[in-house]
Amino acid sequence: KAGVTQTPRYLIKTRGQQVTLSCSPISGHRSVSWYQQTPGQGLQFLFEYFSETQRNKGNFPGRFSGRQFSNSRSEMNVSTLELGDSALYLCASMGTHNEQFFGPGTRLTVL
Amino acid sequence: AQKITQTQPGMFVQEKEAVTLDCTYDTSDQSYGLFWYKQPSSGEMIFLIYQGSYDEQNATEGRYSLNFQKARKSANLVISASQLGDSAMYFCAMGSSGGSYIPTFGRGTSLIVHP
Repeated sequence: KAGVTQTPRYLIKTRGQQVTLSCSPISGHRSVSWYQQTPGQGLQFLFEYFSETQRNKGNFPGRFSGRQFSNSRSEMNVSTLELGDSALYLCASMGTHNEQFFGPGTRLTVL
Repeated sequence: AQKITQTQPGMFVQEKEAVTLDCTYDTSDQSYGLFWYKQPSSGEMIFLIYQGSYDEQNATEGRYSLNFQKARKSANLVISASQLGDSAMYFCAMGSSGGSYIPTFGRGTSLIVHP
């Protein structure tokens, strides 16, 4: 089985721009979660989508949004980028015991 | 609210020796899962092992075992016969069982394996 894939792997944007990240879960997995990882804040949960519906949400501002398609692929969008949004963004699909299978991540740099 | 505490920011171990990474947790939930993940310098998080709160036996996966002490609320990871490729960040995490699932991660422990 192919693992979780994320595109792009690296991204450089400037303040005020918006960005869209993509994630394809493991085949058959219907839950996709997004995380932000920074040296200062560690790994923080953004949101989880299940069957095209947002099922859980972390404590992030509305500039962070997401969606899930009928094939379980998910996208995450960040609008009006700030310098503090520079981070590694990880996507994960959920296994039987709620374990997370992570993708390689998208490293976003905001200049 | 759930909380995960990893008190060891960094650990060193000699190749082929065993090492224990500490994790304590706090939750008011009765049913929950505990997880360990490995993050090499490449950045990808790798799922290692799972322990359910009602599992009576400690979980094992190859060289990884989880030392689960429910009364002490601890879920330490034991890596036996360390290898150079085990050098990485290790994260302990937990999540409640059931539909409302927001996982909580610890700050991580950096493990360096010396030859």
